[in-house]
Amino acid sequence: DAGVIQSPRHEVTEMGQEVTLRCKPISGHDYLFWYRQTMMRGLELLIYFNNNVPIDDSGMPEDRFSAKMPNASFSTLKIQPSEPRDSAVYFCASSSLQGALAFFGQGTRLTVV
Amino acid sequence: KNQVEQSPQSLIILEGKNCTLQCNYTVSPFSNLRWYKQDTGRGPVSLTIMTFSENTKSNGRYTATLDADTKQSSLHITASQLSDSASYICVVTGGYNKLIFGAGTRLAVHP
Repeated sequence: DAGVIQSPRHEVTEMGQEVTLRCKPISGHDYLFWYRQTMMRGLELLIYFNNNVPIDDSGMPEDRFSAKMPNASFSTLKIQPSEPRDSAVYFCASSSLQGALAFFGQGTRLTVV
Repeated sequence: KNQVEQSPQSLIILEGKNCTLQCNYTVSPFSNLRWYKQDTGRGPVSLTIMTFSENTKSNGRYTATLDADTKQSSLHITASQLSDSASYICVVTGGYNKLIFGAGTRLAVHP
């Protein structure tokens, strides 16, 4: 298995533009997590899905952020409109069980100018 | 307030030496505790996961301990290698499967 695959690896966009981050979890994993990492705040859990259903989105910072999981092999995190303070590395992770070890993707480094 | 505090914030050691990283938490209820290693520019990689009843767990040169009474965990690295240079993040799962992250310890192993 290729592991968790995220795209793009890097994204630079102008303030106000829509940004879509993509994630392909490991096949067979029922849980998918979206995280954000910054120097100031460290790793933060934004939202997680179980069997394609959002379970906890309390970490989503505001309405500008939305996440979907239309099927077991694909998820998106969308920011609209983007702001400079959204600049961070966004990680996607998947696991077979909630309490099991999660495998992380390489991350998407987002820069909003 | 549920918190996870790691110490030291950063650490420099010489190759071949041992080191111990600390994680103290105030998370309640407690479900499990994980240690992750994150290389610069890469996603975190799981090292260990420990539940309430586990006191120690090893993964190669990495040994994690957990004292659920004092709410402390440590990650001991034996015979450090240059490739151990990374950030080590302690994550505690609390009620409703909430994940609480520590700020991490940045380890640098020098030749």
